[in-house]
Amino acid sequence: SQQGEEDPQALSIQEGENATMNCSYKTSINNLQWYRQNSGRGLVHLILIRSNEREKHSGRLRVTLDTSKKSSSLLITASRAADTASYFCATVAFESGTYKYIFGTGTRLKVLA
Amino acid sequence: EAQVTQNPRYLITVTGKKLTVTCSQNMNHEYMSWYRQDPGLGLRQIYYSMNVEVTDKGDVPEGYKVSRKEKRNFPLILESPSPNQTSLYFCASKLGRSPENTIYFGEGSWLTVV
Repeated sequence: SQQGEEDPQALSIQEGENATMNCSYKTSINNLQWYRQNSGRGLVHLILIRSNEREKHSGRLRVTLDTSKKSSSLLITASRAADTASYFCATVAFESGTYKYIFGTGTRLKVLA
Repeated sequence: EAQVTQNPRYLITVTGKKLTVTCSQNMNHEYMSWYRQDPGLGLRQIYYSMNVEVTDKGDVPEGYKVSRKEKRNFPLILESPSPNQTSLYFCASKLGRSPENTIYFGEGSWLTVV
């Protein structure tokens, strides 16, 4: 089955800088979602982009999707210390009669104050 | 407040001693699921349930059981835990079958099997 692979595995930036993380996957998808996880806590949904969309914005978040390259990127602008967390992409595709959500291994973001 | 509640949050147990991790959601969601999270492997789905009395295996179901007798509850049962089941477990729910439904996660249950 497909797997979302995030890149980089870890990222450390200064407060105020932009953070970009990427997700690659292998097969056709219905949509791709990004989630955030604070250390040891549950994942929280951030944003969803459909397969027929190329870019989406939500506050300081910008997501792009390139289905020809099977990749997506999440950009966090003007980062804050509170953005420190792990970020996961989840690909959603129809498989074996149901929609399966496949989560990647995540990017650990550290924002230094 | 909309939430998924799982208990216990932390548990250390011994090999072979049956345990149950409870999960409850207050959003009237049809779909519920269990995941485990391990370093370098991301989240892997254990079991899911589309509705009451309907459960299906996920990607890593071996060693686990589930039941869905009520819409709000979806307990995870480890009949005979083994050390390789040491992990961080998440219960999750979403409204229904739509691929655009947001998944809501519980806070996680840290399980150590010694």
